[in-house]
Amino acid sequence: GAGVSQSPRYKVAKRGQDVALRCDPISGHVSLFWYQQALGQGPEFLTYFQNEAQLDKSGLPSDRFFAERPEGSVSTLKIQRTQQEDSAVYLCASSLRRDPRSYNEQFFGPGTRLTVL
Amino acid sequence: AQSVTQLDSQVPVFEEAPVELRCNYSSSVSVYLFWYVQYPNQGLQLLLKYLSGSTLVKGINGFEAEFNKSQTSFHLRKPSVHISDTAEYFCAVITTSGTYKYIFGTGTRLKVLA
Repeated sequence: GAGVSQSPRYKVAKRGQDVALRCDPISGHVSLFWYQQALGQGPEFLTYFQNEAQLDKSGLPSDRFFAERPEGSVSTLKIQRTQQEDSAVYLCASSLRRDPRSYNEQFFGPGTRLTVL
Repeated sequence: AQSVTQLDSQVPVFEEAPVELRCNYSSSVSVYLFWYVQYPNQGLQLLLKYLSGSTLVKGINGFEAEFNKSQTSFHLRKPSVHISDTAEYFCAVITTSGTYKYIFGTGTRLKVLA
């Protein structure tokens, strides 16, 4: 497809379970971003990759959150031992971003809605 | 640090009426400004952005916004709304030196009434 895709679109997990959320960026996009959007809030930055390198993970809320992009394309956000406060929509975005000194538009996927019971 | 304030959590407006969604930001460094729209169960779509130049920027779907540096505002306007404009609208900033990390406001839900 032409846009960013995410799977699954909806995920229900029992507290304590591990979950993995997948993001397929736009083909050729160098940069990939993860955001967390809690109910009634704006998205908040989690982490940023340039190719396979994770350049910024300052927004990850705890060490239970882990993201990877091993081949510089598809990315997975993993949450271990999920808690109720992890319930949110997780958005992925990608951009061409060849020059870090200039703005490159980020294109967002539809998100994965995670509900932790 | 940067922050974005959208004081109106919900704005109801009748179809074909004008609308303004307010956005104020705080930053000690220069920023780029954005408005995104989010339809139910969809991702964010860029409406418009201010990077430099003219302070009045026009976007998709008939929306426009004006950057006011002295008031640190970037209000979104549309002269005549349609039912299809019903959605969540987010204002966001990025610092010109760290051009990848969006700071979003909490959003304004625009509800267009028939």
